[in-house]
Amino acid sequence: GQQVMQIPQYQHVQEGEDFTTYCNSSTTLSNIQWYKQRPGGHPVFLIQLVKSGEVKKQKRLTFQFGEAKKNSSLHITATQTTDVGTYFCAGGVGNFNKFYFGSGTKLNVKP
Amino acid sequence: DAGVTQSPTHLIKTRGQQVTLRCSPKSGHDTVSWYQQALGQGPQFIFQYYEEEERQRGNFPDRFSGHQFPNYSSELNVNALLLGDSALYLCASSRQGAGTEAFFGQGTRLTVV
Repeated sequence: GQQVMQIPQYQHVQEGEDFTTYCNSSTTLSNIQWYKQRPGGHPVFLIQLVKSGEVKKQKRLTFQFGEAKKNSSLHITATQTTDVGTYFCAGGVGNFNKFYFGSGTKLNVKP
Repeated sequence: DAGVTQSPTHLIKTRGQQVTLRCSPKSGHDTVSWYQQALGQGPQFIFQYYEEEERQRGNFPDRFSGHQFPNYSSELNVNALLLGDSALYLCASSRQGAGTEAFFGQGTRLTVV
């Protein structure tokens, strides 16, 4: 069945260091979304990628969608303590908003 | 403009009981999806409702059922609760169509004892 794998599971960085999380799907995706979930909170939408090879930037965050639309990455430059949380990718399948979430990467940033 | 609202926020039930969780979608949204998020895991898709019908379903047993009302709000029902049903239940609303942004509610934390 459809699976979305995400690595690493945990990442501890010093403030100012970079961070990357990777997402891989067993099948081709129609789109991919990224979410951030703070401890005790709910997932908050960050961005959506639709096109093959697409790259989008939001300030210090860079999102990429692979050419085959089966993998994606989120890169944070110069992390800040406000970046702490769990980052999830969610792969969209088919014509409707049915998303398969990865298991998330929990980011901890030491000041 | 209210976002997605879910009720209740917390709930404690006994094994074998039944539970109903409620979701009001964001204004302008017509599609509601339900997810189960176990501790330390990513959300797992339960099902999606559009035009008052279940449009898609994940790998969940028939004990999980739902409903969507004409005002687009939705309910998730779980029968014969098991300890393993303890989780955060998330509702996400969106507009119909592929690849539209989904907005999540704050979730209902269900504990089965």
